[in-house]
Amino acid sequence: LAKTTQPISMDSYEGQEVNITCSHNNIATNDYITWYQQFPSQGPRFIIQGYKTKVTNEVASLFIPADRKSSTLSLPRVSLSDTAVYYCLVGGSARQLTFGSGTQLTVLP
Amino acid sequence: NAGVTQTPKFQVLKTGQSMTLQCAQDMNHEYMSWYRQDPGMGLRLIHYSVGAGITDQGEVPNGYNVSRSTTEDFPLRLLSAAPSQTSVYFCASSLTGTGHYNEQFFGPGTRLTVL
Repeated sequence: LAKTTQPISMDSYEGQEVNITCSHNNIATNDYITWYQQFPSQGPRFIIQGYKTKVTNEVASLFIPADRKSSTLSLPRVSLSDTAVYYCLVGGSARQLTFGSGTQLTVLP
Repeated sequence: NAGVTQTPKFQVLKTGQSMTLQCAQDMNHEYMSWYRQDPGMGLRLIHYSVGAGITDQGEVPNGYNVSRSTTEDFPLRLLSAAPSQTSVYFCASSLTGTGHYNEQFFGPGTRLTVL
């Protein structure tokens, strides 16, 4: 199973763009990259998934370089309500996903 | 749709007691899973099921049993509770466990304390 490395914590200010980078050097050919968000006392929530290049949805963008050894989750114009833990997961199916410790994002006023 | 529901929300057990955490989903999802989350850590997979009648072990299965008699329900049984099982337990489901698209929907969690 591919192991991921991401920063333990990040701070940002309201209205700024936030980029969280995840390293996954041993990603396999059939692995996809998935990001989840977790608020305190709640279960994680799916944000975005991608395989290569760029994926965008209504809440985030995911940038994946050609070698796929890393990925960057981009959150545009964050607000206080974006304060949460963000998990980067790599796997070819749901049962292969491993949640690491995640990145605690704190958005400051 | 209620999504993924879990009961109870909170539970306190004594060492050696047994209990069942309930999980149900109404989205006709094939794949269901149980995770535990310890303070300051990520989620660890306990058991999972890719369909009714099929279950398998995850990363930390010891001390837990599961069964999947229907598509909707996936109960987690603690056979003889130990303090090391104090944790928050999350149930999740997704449309399939074998495809690459693996958006999982999580329940609200059960906070379990074993004294």
